[in-house]
Amino acid sequence: AQSVAQPEDQVNVAEGNPLTVKCTYSVSGNPYLFWYVQYPNRGLQFLLKYITGDNLVKGSYGFEAEFNKSQTSFHLKKPSALVSDSALYFCVLDTGRRALTFGSGTRLQVQP
Amino acid sequence: DVKVTQSSRYLVKRTGEKVFLECVQDMDHENMFWYRQDPGLGLRLIYFSYDVKMKEKGDIPEGYSVSREKKERFSLILESASTNQTSMYLCASGTKDTQYFGPGTRLTVL
Repeated sequence: AQSVAQPEDQVNVAEGNPLTVKCTYSVSGNPYLFWYVQYPNRGLQFLLKYITGDNLVKGSYGFEAEFNKSQTSFHLKKPSALVSDSALYFCVLDTGRRALTFGSGTRLQVQP
Repeated sequence: DVKVTQSSRYLVKRTGEKVFLECVQDMDHENMFWYRQDPGLGLRLIYFSYDVKMKEKGDIPEGYSVSREKKERFSLILESASTNQTSMYLCASGTKDTQYFGPGTRLTVL
């Protein structure tokens, strides 16, 4: 079955430190992958997407994601975390259906 | 700016009531989506619509129906609300790749 998994419910990181939010996927064929973010009291927002090409995808707010085919992963990264990055992050997979498949979400908490 | 609005931020209903959740978008998008968001389960697709009067079931359509009479409006209907439908409901519009979400409706069924 085609699916996406986020193994961590919550990630804690100190402000200024690098952050990683993990995502693994299972798909037949080439994967199309996305990251969405949900800030407190705000709607979900598109962050970035990987379709094909460069394995390092740059997105909004200084985030980037690294696609790794051999490890079937698509981890979200940022070199230096901000308190304002605290939010719920969703890894998302395009399974070829008309709609996307969302992961369970990872809550990122950045401590000052 | 794309705007997706939902009729209510918070809603409290009783078991057995018929519930209507409304969503309006102002970007002339053909695709609109309804999801429910529950802790630890992420977003699960209930229904989506790819054109006026066209709809397709998502992953969890049981207990729900939808209506798309006009392009800008997509309604989610709970025919007979039950306590296990207490959840956050999110509407979105856009292409499959890039969806714009409304603020959500937190529905409580007592």
